[in-house]
Amino acid sequence: QAGLTQPPSVSKGLRQTATLTCTGNTNNVGYQGAVWLQHHQGHPPKVLSLRNNKRPSGISERFSASRSGNTASLTITGLQPEDETDYYCSAWDRVGGWVFGGGTKLTVL
Amino acid sequence: EEQVVQSGGGLVQPGESLRLSCVLSGFTSTNFWMSWVRQAPGKGLEWVATLNEDGSAKFYVDSVKGRFTISRDTARNSLYLQMNSLRVEDTAVYYCATVAEGYWGRGTLVTVSS
Repeated sequence: QAGLTQPPSVSKGLRQTATLTCTGNTNNVGYQGAVWLQHHQGHPPKVLSLRNNKRPSGISERFSASRSGNTASLTITGLQPEDETDYYCSAWDRVGGWVFGGGTKLTVL
Repeated sequence: EEQVVQSGGGLVQPGESLRLSCVLSGFTSTNFWMSWVRQAPGKGLEWVATLNEDGSAKFYVDSVKGRFTISRDTARNSLYLQMNSLRVEDTAVYYCATVAEGYWGRGTLVTVSS
């Protein structure tokens, strides 16, 4: 199955708001929603939002997720230097398997 | 506290086999769909395989079908990935995870090289 579509890079200023997008289709994102992951190289991915757009325990309120149709979004408010890293979305595809986006590299200026 | 502890991995030659393991603590594997996800050098995350909660259904990415086998040992609360006929392009950090619930292991490096 084809992967999810994420912009390769997003740049925003310190303390600004960034919105990352993830586009799939009715068989994946539109089916059960998307998971959002933050991934610093050398560390395991960290889940920021579950498929129901809920934040796991311990995740800052600065991270919020939403979905409209086949597009999921992750909004990060009050950008901090430590937010500069890679972000991935993933969704279960009805065909059978997880599909991932190519990842978005967030730069905090 | 939920933890996923991985083991296995290493350097092998093309065509050889390797088995990855992960042990879950703080939660029961039979309550979750368990997966293996990998990241090749300089690339993004790629799903490899998933096993449903009772082990009755297994799903694989096309590139590993017929070569990799995902399995679990409920008594040991463990998940495995048997990787046969390894190829250079299988070189990656492999993660054991419950993708939907967000529990991830720290990853283990598999290098396939002659």
